[in-house]
Amino acid sequence: AQKVTQAQTEISVVEKEDVTLDCVYETRDTTYYLFWYKQPPSGELVFLIRRNSFDEQNEISGRYSWNFQKSTSSFNFTITASQVVDSAVYFCALSEAAGTALIFGKGTTLSVSS
Amino acid sequence: KAGVTQTPRYLIKTRGQQVTLSCSPISGHRSVSWYQQTPGQGLQFLFEYFSETQRNKGNFPGRFSGRQFSNSRSEMNVSTLELGDSALYLCASRAGGGAQTEAFFGQGTRLTVV
Repeated sequence: AQKVTQAQTEISVVEKEDVTLDCVYETRDTTYYLFWYKQPPSGELVFLIRRNSFDEQNEISGRYSWNFQKSTSSFNFTITASQVVDSAVYFCALSEAAGTALIFGKGTTLSVSS
Repeated sequence: KAGVTQTPRYLIKTRGQQVTLSCSPISGHRSVSWYQQTPGQGLQFLFEYFSETQRNKGNFPGRFSGRQFSNSRSEMNVSTLELGDSALYLCASRAGGGAQTEAFFGQGTRLTVV
């Protein structure tokens, strides 16, 4: 069965600190997709990144970077030089090729103070 | 381009009543999915509609139902409301039908059952 685990429930950092959010997934499929979403207090989930199981290249987008390692079934998310506006709940999600449902982790609440 | 629109934003209902939530996807998107978010269970997939057909269904009782219209707008209905149905209900739209396409979420409908 598929499962996503975000072991960190809450993380608090001070502005300009780097922070890494962990995500570990389980699936029996060889083709699957991994996502990260951000949920600000307003409620909507904001798409950040998608990765497919055949692409283990790490990705960097501005202050955000993602490390995908199939060997450890992990898809970690790093924010460099965090800012107060990064404060939100971050969700990692998995989607298998055969289905379209997103399986979410429980989320990590990130609080960045000034 | 307008995002995903969900109405109403807030609802208060009494136990035993029924409720209908509405979701207008991004123009041109044919897939609409519904998710329930609660503090205890997190984000859980309810169902997905594609071109007016239910394509995928999560593990929820039959009190939860939905439909999709020819213009891709979707409604979700919950009958015989229970206190445990209090949650944020999120709708997501996708351009294509595959698991690899990113889902764009609305701001949700906050349902409170008293």
